[in-house]
Amino acid sequence: AQSVTQLDSQVPVFEEAPVELRCNYSSSVSVYLFWYVQYPNQGLQLLLKYLSGSTLVKGINGFEAEFNKSQTSFHLRKPSVHISDTAEYFCAVRGTSGGSYIPTFGRGTSLIVHP
Amino acid sequence: DTEVTQTPKHLVMGMTNKKSLKCEQHMGHRAMYWYKQKAKKPPELMFVYSYEKLSINESVPSRFSPECPNSSLLNLHLHALQPEDSALYLCASSQGSPTSGVTDTQYFGPGTRLTVL
Repeated sequence: AQSVTQLDSQVPVFEEAPVELRCNYSSSVSVYLFWYVQYPNQGLQLLLKYLSGSTLVKGINGFEAEFNKSQTSFHLRKPSVHISDTAEYFCAVRGTSGGSYIPTFGRGTSLIVHP
Repeated sequence: DTEVTQTPKHLVMGMTNKKSLKCEQHMGHRAMYWYKQKAKKPPELMFVYSYEKLSINESVPSRFSPECPNSSLLNLHLHALQPEDSALYLCASSQGSPTSGVTDTQYFGPGTRLTVL
């Protein structure tokens, strides 16, 4: 079994400032990690994923995330945010072995970008 | 093409109505999922179909009835719903079976916003 903690329910930031959305996970097996974005009244869109290889993963819309196995973290970063990045962001984890591979979602972080 | 489509976009129904939500994907994915999402909450898994067979039912009330007519289509039949069932219903699909261990990614549709009066 695995779990995901998104410590920040809301992150306000000014336009063009950098942002980091935090995600920590717990799992007894190796994991795959995902970040999804959900704009108002829309479905979830995959931003990026870590499956294996380089621990720094680049995604769409200028976002990147770094997998840190020792700290069991997968924080999402963007060096300069836009108003259009205002959305809900979900971190998800799934195991690589052990039976069911249904992703577990974090509670979400609301990114609010102010002009 | 990584598109999952859902219809209708919005649905308002009374507690005695019968309605259906539809989901379609043409990516050749063999696993399809229904999720329920309340405002400001993560999606909650309801059902999983793997190779057109129901493989996971997360103790969902019988007023929700899933159906997978073929590998591209997934329906959710609704009957005698309660106001607390009002939510965004999301469909997703992935390449293989949830138990296969492949490096699957879920692709989500835009959702159906359901309001039960």
